[in-house]
Amino acid sequence: KNEVEQSPQNLTAQEGEFITINCSYSVGISALHWLQQHPGGGIVSLFMLSSGKKKHGRLIATINIQEKHSSLHITASHPRDSAVYICAVPLSYNTDKLIFGTGTRLQVFP
Amino acid sequence: DSGVTQTPKHLITATGQRVTLRCSPRSGDLSVYWYQQSLDQGLQFLIQYYNGEERAKGNILERFSAQQFPDLHSELNLSSLELGDSALYFCASSPGVAGVEETQYFGPGTRLLVL
Repeated sequence: KNEVEQSPQNLTAQEGEFITINCSYSVGISALHWLQQHPGGGIVSLFMLSSGKKKHGRLIATINIQEKHSSLHITASHPRDSAVYICAVPLSYNTDKLIFGTGTRLQVFP
Repeated sequence: DSGVTQTPKHLITATGQRVTLRCSPRSGDLSVYWYQQSLDQGLQFLIQYYNGEERAKGNILERFSAQQFPDLHSELNLSSLELGDSALYFCASSPGVAGVEETQYFGPGTRLLVL
């Protein structure tokens, strides 16, 4: 059974700073998801990763399958990036059930 | 806009009551997932349907049930409500071809408050 840990729990940054959020899990997986939850509550899927690295605009997600670790990076952070970032992994290999980290609350100040 | 719709947006009800939450997936998506997000437990997987059939079950209470209809919309029924059922309930949909290896698109959520 998988467990997910995210760090840090809270993060504050000045506009323009480079941000890194980490996610570690305990059991081998086929894919990892990064989600963004806006202050209003809505959830947006940012990335689904099974290996390597993906980039979308100022967001970059990496995964190291051997080390069971993923990072989400935000370059040139902006106040509109303020949100909770959540990683999710399958409960175990070969299941569609996702389990979620507790989230990282990011606040970017101008 | 993810293309997933959920109704109602807000629901206030009393303990002991029963409510139904509705979800319409993105056009063409066959899989529907239901999640509960409470303040003390974070996001939790409840149940998944694929093309009308239950595919996976999580920590869903016996007081809760769900179904997916032939037009692929899904309903989550919560009965004998307790204060602790107050939460945000999300549904998400995906094509259903690659299981967990595909992006899930989340609806806006239903905020349930049980008084």
